[in-house]
Amino acid sequence: QKEVEQDPGPLSVPEGAIVSLNCTYSNSAFQYFMWYRQYSRKGPELLMYTYSSGNKEDGRFTAQVDKSSKYISLFIRDSQPSDSATYLCAWSNSGYSTLTFGKGTMLLVSP
Amino acid sequence: DTGVSQDPRHKITKRGQNVTFRCDPISEHNRLYWYRQTLGQGPEFLTYFQNEAQLEKSRLLSDRFSAERPKGSFSTLEIQRTEQGDSAMYLCASSLARTSTDTQYFGPGTRLTVL
Repeated sequence: QKEVEQDPGPLSVPEGAIVSLNCTYSNSAFQYFMWYRQYSRKGPELLMYTYSSGNKEDGRFTAQVDKSSKYISLFIRDSQPSDSATYLCAWSNSGYSTLTFGKGTMLLVSP
Repeated sequence: DTGVSQDPRHKITKRGQNVTFRCDPISEHNRLYWYRQTLGQGPEFLTYFQNEAQLEKSRLLSDRFSAERPKGSFSTLEIQRTEQGDSAMYLCASSLARTSTDTQYFGPGTRLTVL
C-alpha cells in the first residue's frame, strides 16, 4: 500500500463551483498536513498547514483533517480560472521533518 | 516569488555528462531541502541541510549525486555521469526551523533533460 493516495484528475469544474480535493494516507506517524498549489512549470506554493483534526479556513480555502480515517480534504469555494493548477497534499512526521507528497490533482476551472 | 532562487532554470545535457545546480535560500533560513519531481508525480525528498550540515539523505540519492552547502548559505546539487532517468525537475526549498513548525518555501526548480 502506498503511503499517500491522491487522484491525479484532471478535475474540471465551471467557474464558481465548490471544489473538493482529497488524499488518504496510511502512515500513522504523519502528524502535520499541508496543501500546496503548483502552477505549470513552477515550484509548489504552500496554501494550508494544519496539525490537528478538524477544519481550518483561510479565505476561499478550507482544509479538513480526519486523523482517525487518515483522510484529508481541501475545499475551494467560488472557484476561479486562476485556481487552475495542480494541488499537492503533503505530510510530515513532525514539525521539522521532510515532506511526503501525493501525486497531485490537476484542477481545471473553466470561465 | 517565494524568495528562493534556483539556477539554471533549464539544463539540457547529454548522457554521461556532469551537471551542477545551485539554490539560494531565503537569507535567514537555516534549513535547505532538495526534492526531485518527475512528470505526473509529487516531489520526492532527496536530502536536507541544517546550516552547513547534511542531516538526511534519501535512498533515492545514488552515489552519482552529491550536495553541499558551504558556510550554510547557498547549496549545490551535482549529478555525475547523468542518465536519462535523471531527467526531472529538481526543486529546492528552505525553512526557518525556529518555532514548532517548519514551513518549507520552494524555489521555481531546475528542469533537467538528459538526452
